[in-house]
Amino acid sequence: NAGVTQTPKFRVLKTGQSMTLLCAQDMNHEYMYWYRQDPGMGLRLIHYSVGEGTTAKGEVPDGYNVSRLKKQNFLLGLESAAPSQTSVYFCASRTLRKRNEQFFGPGTRLTVL
Amino acid sequence: ELKVEQNPLFLSMQEGKNYTIYCNYSTTSDRLYWYRQDPGKSLESLFVLLSNGAVKQEGRLMASLDTKARLSTLHITAAVHDLSATYFCAVDFFSGAGSYQLTFGKGTKLSVIP
Repeated sequence: NAGVTQTPKFRVLKTGQSMTLLCAQDMNHEYMYWYRQDPGMGLRLIHYSVGEGTTAKGEVPDGYNVSRLKKQNFLLGLESAAPSQTSVYFCASRTLRKRNEQFFGPGTRLTVL
Repeated sequence: ELKVEQNPLFLSMQEGKNYTIYCNYSTTSDRLYWYRQDPGKSLESLFVLLSNGAVKQEGRLMASLDTKARLSTLHITAAVHDLSATYFCAVDFFSGAGSYQLTFGKGTKLSVIP
């Protein structure tokens, strides 16, 4: 089991460029989440999904879009990157069965110049 | 809006000493998680506390949950350098959109000094 994987690990963008971050999980989890982590702010939820084909906004959704066409994948898109989106992005997945544990991916470090 | 407050945010302690990190939250919840994060790394699950009065222990760390007081503690016993990391608590709640979400505290950066 690979658990939760994220692609890419690092990326540098110029203001106005677009990109997509890919999250994949092989645990058959229903829920998937995208967070951003900034110094001193903890983790803040951007968007989440409770199942294939469904997504919802979290605490800080502006400037981001998501899609979940397959249960195992959750994509995070930046249509027009801004310096304020410089951050570390974490994907997570979770099942409501068993211990309700939430597992995190390794993170993507994004810099927007 | 659920608020989660951790304190202290920074903690420097000597090896061999004991200390407690506190996590207070503002809304009813009976599930709380503790994570550890090393610099440049992802979050590693430490404890999952699923009911009032739950207590979990792993090595020098012990976590407890008091849902009535809306308080969780992470107690460190006889600290060693390897425990240096940032510790996050996260409170689970059921949103109106029909999903469970974690709200995180800002983290406690622990430095254990020889």
